[in-house]
Amino acid sequence: NAGVMQNPRHLVRRRGQEARLRCSPMKGHSHVYWYRQLPEEGLKFMVYLQKENIIDESGMPKERFSAEFPKEGPSILRIQQVVRGDSAAYFCASSPLAGQATGELFFGEGSRLTVL
Amino acid sequence: QQQVKQSPQSLIVQKGGISIINCAYENTAFDYFPWYQQFPGKGPALLIAIRPDVSEKKEGRFTISFNKSAKQFSLHIMDSQPGDSATYFCAAALTGGGADGLTFGKGTHLIIQP
Repeated sequence: NAGVMQNPRHLVRRRGQEARLRCSPMKGHSHVYWYRQLPEEGLKFMVYLQKENIIDESGMPKERFSAEFPKEGPSILRIQQVVRGDSAAYFCASSPLAGQATGELFFGEGSRLTVL
Repeated sequence: QQQVKQSPQSLIVQKGGISIINCAYENTAFDYFPWYQQFPGKGPALLIAIRPDVSEKKEGRFTISFNKSAKQFSLHIMDSQPGDSATYFCAAALTGGGADGLTFGKGTHLIIQP
C-alpha cells in the first residue's frame, strides 16, 4: 500500500529555468495539497486540488507558480523562471475525502529544490 | 499573519523526561488540531490529533491537552526516548467547509539526550 509518492526527491535548477515537481496521491485519494517548507519554518499551504479542479490556490504566488491535477497521472507543481528564493522543500499531501472534512492529511517525503 | 504560534523553537530533554510543546491559535473557528512528527529528510507524519469537544487525548506516551477558552493546546511526550528526537509541528484546521487545509506552527526541534 504505497504512500504519497513525490519525485524528484532532489532537483537542482539554475536561475531562470523551470522546475516541475510531481505527486502521486495515495491509492483511493482524490484530494491533493501542496505545501512549501523553508528552513526553520513551518509548512505553508500553497494550493488544494481535486481531479481536474483547483479548489483553493490562495497560498500560491501569483506569478511563475502553477499547479494541476489531471484526470490521469500525477499532480504537478510547476515553477517557471526559478529564483534563489524558490529554494525550499515542497511537500504534497493527499486525503481520501475533502481534507477539510476530516483534517487528516498524508504527506509525501518531499521534493527539495535548490536554485543556483 | 501567523495564526498558529508554537513554542519553544527548540527543546532538549533527558531520556525518560517529559517533553512539552505548546501552541496557541487565533481563529476560534478551528475545529481540528493535529500534531505532526518530522524526521530529517522525511515528510511530516500525523502523530495525534484532537477536536475541541474534549480537553485531553492520550495515545501511548503522547498526550494532547486542549484549552478552548485560552485557545491553546499542547503536546506532552512522557518517558521521552532518543527515537523521539525530531521536529514537531502543531497545526489547526477548519473542517467541514474551509478549503485552505492545515495551518502549521513553525515547529519545535526536539532532542532527547541519552
